[in-house]
Amino acid sequence: DIQMTQSPSTLSASVGDRVTITCRASQNIWSWLAWYQQKPGKAPNLLIHKASTLKSGVPSRFSGSGSGTEFTLTINSLQPDDFATYYCQQYNGHSPAYTFGQGTKLEI
Amino acid sequence: EVQLVESGGGLVQPGGSLRLSCTASGFTVGDDYMTWVRQAPGKGLEWVSLIYSGDTTYYADSVKGRFTISRDNSKNTLYLQMNSLRPDDTAVYYCARDRDAFDVWGQGTMVTVSS
Repeated sequence: DIQMTQSPSTLSASVGDRVTITCRASQNIWSWLAWYQQKPGKAPNLLIHKASTLKSGVPSRFSGSGSGTEFTLTINSLQPDDFATYYCQQYNGHSPAYTFGQGTKLEI
Repeated sequence: EVQLVESGGGLVQPGGSLRLSCTASGFTVGDDYMTWVRQAPGKGLEWVSLIYSGDTTYYADSVKGRFTISRDNSKNTLYLQMNSLRPDDTAVYYCARDRDAFDVWGQGTMVTVSS
């Protein structure tokens, strides 16, 4: 099975900061990577798919990059609404077993 | 409006069974890949099961042989039949639409397995 490793587990930042979260896959997943945001008590919300494609309606301060085994989520100019937990997920088209990273809690 | 609404969660004893439902509006579950994801209290997300539009199904190793995913197109509803439940199945269960990643999620339903 493909393992996903996110870092850091917790990230402290301030409004206006630029932050980066990293996700590493245990094998090549090409660009089959998604990023989700989850707030306490709520369902996850898709931000980015295919490693770098922003879902419609998601603010442009969010961006994703990478391919193969190394991926990043960058949030520019943090807003108060951005403090949440972020998960990466691989959905390699050749494997139906999807895997999430362990999550990164972004806190003030 | 595209929406998913789960129901059927609750408290069940170890070894018991439960069936979760996920009713869709704004799209047809039979035309899409649909999935279940769970989240144990205070933990991360765990993919559980997937059903393709052609009814091929896949399961996480942790639930294989115990859980069954299905759908009723006439009711536009996705199901998760959970048998032989264990305490480590305790979680919020979410259904989601799989359209190049999980783009629409339900609000979740809580399943507690405890005696």
